[in-house]
Amino acid sequence: DTEVTQTPKHLVMGMTNKKSLKCEQHMGHRAMYWYKQKAKKPPELMFVYSYEKLSINESVPSRFSPECPNSSLLNLHLHALQPEDSALYLCASSRGLATPYEQYFGPGTRLTVT
Amino acid sequence: DQQVKQNSPSLSVQEGRISILNCDYTNSMFDYFLWYKKYPAEGPTFLISISSIKDKNEDGRFTVFLNKSAKHLSLHIVPSQPGDSAVYFCAASARETSGSRLTFGEGTQLTVNP
Repeated sequence: DTEVTQTPKHLVMGMTNKKSLKCEQHMGHRAMYWYKQKAKKPPELMFVYSYEKLSINESVPSRFSPECPNSSLLNLHLHALQPEDSALYLCASSRGLATPYEQYFGPGTRLTVT
Repeated sequence: DQQVKQNSPSLSVQEGRISILNCDYTNSMFDYFLWYKKYPAEGPTFLISISSIKDKNEDGRFTVFLNKSAKHLSLHIVPSQPGDSAVYFCAASARETSGSRLTFGEGTQLTVNP
């Protein structure tokens, strides 16, 4: 099973709203990732968790707040977003971080900020 | 500085023929390479990978070739099928410096015509 699930599939939020994106994997992977993808562009790395600890933050604005409650779950809390934050948000996982392993992606959450 | 480049934004081939997607990289520290396929509004799907100790890896209809001296890799799909129509991303990682952190190319839109 190489499935990464993400909820919700679509999200529309206003600039004053607070919402959360959720990601789950049951492959025993110890590294989890958040990416942002704009149309016709490659995924851009936002955050990496390794063994439930934040390992990489790619200078993401504080209106995006990641959380890793346990080894299977990854959340992305959103607050006071801007319209330019509208994008496809992808979660991924891999066996580990220290050596190169394939990353498996979820289907993404299509976020629209109005 | 774009370290992974896919110079062809699009490629069109006839069903049953070979599709060849190309990727060039500049960072000599990259030692692990992956190809992902992405349908619209879905997350990228891992296709095939290759380590720098190899020059070829094959999985069914998909073969990846690596030419380290030229810093070039290619994905061959044969025979091509209409269901292969998608955006293909090349990605690379450098085990020594960044483990499974991926650097993506800009993608190539493959269209397989029936």
